[in-house]
Amino acid sequence: KQEVTQIPAALSVPEGENLVLNCSFTDSAIYNLQWFRQDPGKGLTSLLLIQSSQREQTSGRLNASLDKSSGRSTLYIAASQPGDSATYLCAAPGSGGYQKVTFGTGTKLQVIP
Amino acid sequence: DGGITQSPKYLFRKEGQNVTLSCEQNLNHDAMYWYRQDPGQGLRLIYYSQIVNDFQKGDIAEGYSVSREKKESFPLTVTSAQKNPTAFYLCASSTRTGTAAEQYFGPGTRLTVT
Repeated sequence: KQEVTQIPAALSVPEGENLVLNCSFTDSAIYNLQWFRQDPGKGLTSLLLIQSSQREQTSGRLNASLDKSSGRSTLYIAASQPGDSATYLCAAPGSGGYQKVTFGTGTKLQVIP
Repeated sequence: DGGITQSPKYLFRKEGQNVTLSCEQNLNHDAMYWYRQDPGQGLRLIYYSQIVNDFQKGDIAEGYSVSREKKESFPLTVTSAQKNPTAFYLCASSTRTGTAAEQYFGPGTRLTVT
């Protein structure tokens, strides 16, 4: 059974700092890994989807990497802004098929002006 | 605009009553999902459906039921058998292709049962 861990649970950084969020998964036979953002009381917004054949995916100030062999993914946020404050979740499917996805508990990010 | 809608945003019910949460998508996605989110826990899968008239139990299906009569609709009923129904419920959808099943989420329904 796939297990997904995100450490730290919370992170506070000053505006402008570059930061890295971590995601670990136990079953490396994944089709893809997805990063989401969740604002309080809202649904999840997809940020990046990395397919198993890729090592990196970029969107604006966000860069996600995937290392299947070590069971890790990182989300790099450049030049953080107060508007980046949210909870960031990663999700990975299990080897049973992409339809069943396991989510991490998220990292709550606060960017201080 | 394509997307997923969930209604209502907030729902209040008395204990012992069944309640149905709506989820509609116009993304032409084959697969749809229901998740439950509780504070301090990751999303947990309740039910999912890969095609119309077919659905499978997720990790926490007890006390819930679903139907998939139309491609665009996947309503979730929270029955009186669900012991702790108060939670934030999220609906999602994805394409059914093999390796690029990016999930898209609705805005969620917060259910409070007293």
